[in-house]
Amino acid sequence: SQKIEQNSEALNIQEGKTATLTCNYTNYSPAYLQWYRQDPGRGPVFLLLIRENEKEKRKERLKVTFDTTLKQSLFHITASQPADSATYLCALFNQAGTALIFGKGTTLSVSS
Amino acid sequence: DTGVSQDPRHKITKRGQNVTFRCDPISEHNRLYWYRQTLGQGPEFLTYFQNEAQLEKSRLLSDRFSAERPKGSFSTLEIQRTEQGDSAMYLCASSANPVMYSGNTIYFGEGSWLTVV
Repeated sequence: SQKIEQNSEALNIQEGKTATLTCNYTNYSPAYLQWYRQDPGRGPVFLLLIRENEKEKRKERLKVTFDTTLKQSLFHITASQPADSATYLCALFNQAGTALIFGKGTTLSVSS
Repeated sequence: DTGVSQDPRHKITKRGQNVTFRCDPISEHNRLYWYRQTLGQGPEFLTYFQNEAQLEKSRLLSDRFSAERPKGSFSTLEIQRTEQGDSAMYLCASSANPVMYSGNTIYFGEGSWLTVV
């Protein structure tokens, strides 16, 4: 069955450092992969989408890589700030393209 | 800008009661999704509509759950005979069509919290 794995342990880093979050998937051949941010008690908010033919995508301090051979995406936040503290979710469409399937998310905590 | 709105935001109900949540998607979006999320988990897909047609339902959507989108606009999710295990945040989302290969994103509402006591 299709499965998405994110590091379920919280990631704690100091302000100014680079945070790197990992998303691994199995039994998928996704056309693209998405990353969302979720703050406590709020709905997920779309951050970035990367297509299968793109190796890397950047948006401001965010960078996403997509390795379809390894079946892995890495999500980087450079020069991290306390305001970046949130849960970050990786998501892929199911094979039928009818539902976005999410990983459990990784909670990032940036301390000043 | 009117994003996806959900109502009520919070609901506390006694076990065995019925509850209904409403979702108003972004107006030009013809796809609408319902998800459930519990603490420490990612959103879990429940069902999706394209216009007024309910095209897919997850195995998570037991017989006590029913969703409608009567005119292809707003949607309701009803839970009958609630159980404590139904306590969760119910998220609604919408998107334009097509989605999968066009890269159109899905926009979520703020969720409706359900607590069954």
